[in-house]
Amino acid sequence: DTGVSQDPRHKITKRGQNVTFRCDPISEHNRLYWYRQTLGQGPEFLTYFQNEAQLEKSRLLSDRFSAERPKGSFSTLEIQRTEQGDSAMYLCASSDPGQGAIGEQYFGPGTRLTVT
Amino acid sequence: GQSLEQPSEVTAVEGAIVQINCTYQTSGFYGLSWYQQHDGGAPTFLSYNALDGLEETGRFSSFLSRSDSYGYLLLQELQMKDSASYFCAVRDRASNYQLIWGAGTKLIIKP
Repeated sequence: DTGVSQDPRHKITKRGQNVTFRCDPISEHNRLYWYRQTLGQGPEFLTYFQNEAQLEKSRLLSDRFSAERPKGSFSTLEIQRTEQGDSAMYLCASSDPGQGAIGEQYFGPGTRLTVT
Repeated sequence: GQSLEQPSEVTAVEGAIVQINCTYQTSGFYGLSWYQQHDGGAPTFLSYNALDGLEETGRFSSFLSRSDSYGYLLLQELQMKDSASYFCAVRDRASNYQLIWGAGTKLIIKP
């Protein structure tokens, strides 16, 4: 197993454009999370999937953000009409089905988004 | 609401021991996690405490006191490669048991 992977690693886009990021979790993990991290801050929770079901979505997440996990494997995060404030590192993590496993998450390398 | 406090920066000497504290305020505490993140890298899981006490994993130990809403990460025999940011993160009922993260402690190790 190669761990959590994310694609692309870097994305530069112009304000107003749409972007989509992909995450492939560890294969036996049924839980998948998306976070956003800005410099000097801890990761900020965005959304959570258990298998293909999106069970949690941060109240801070605007309607421009949407995430899917159609077959319970990989996930995509789309940002529509990007704004400069969306510039951040977008992290994906996965964890196994165990009771305490939400506390034990494994992260991908992240996608760094720059909105110009 | 929830809040976590940890020092923004800690400096220590190679070979020494350092403790990074984390205090939290939550409405329904469930567990405390610690993660390490090197500059430019992704967070790496270190430990998770749901019950009071000390858990040891090699050079790293993590402690939790639920009654004091307090935990710490203890790093022993510091190595230069331990220079990184360390985050505490809590799970609680108010966040529907998702992780809420502190702002991180930057650990600087001097030779």
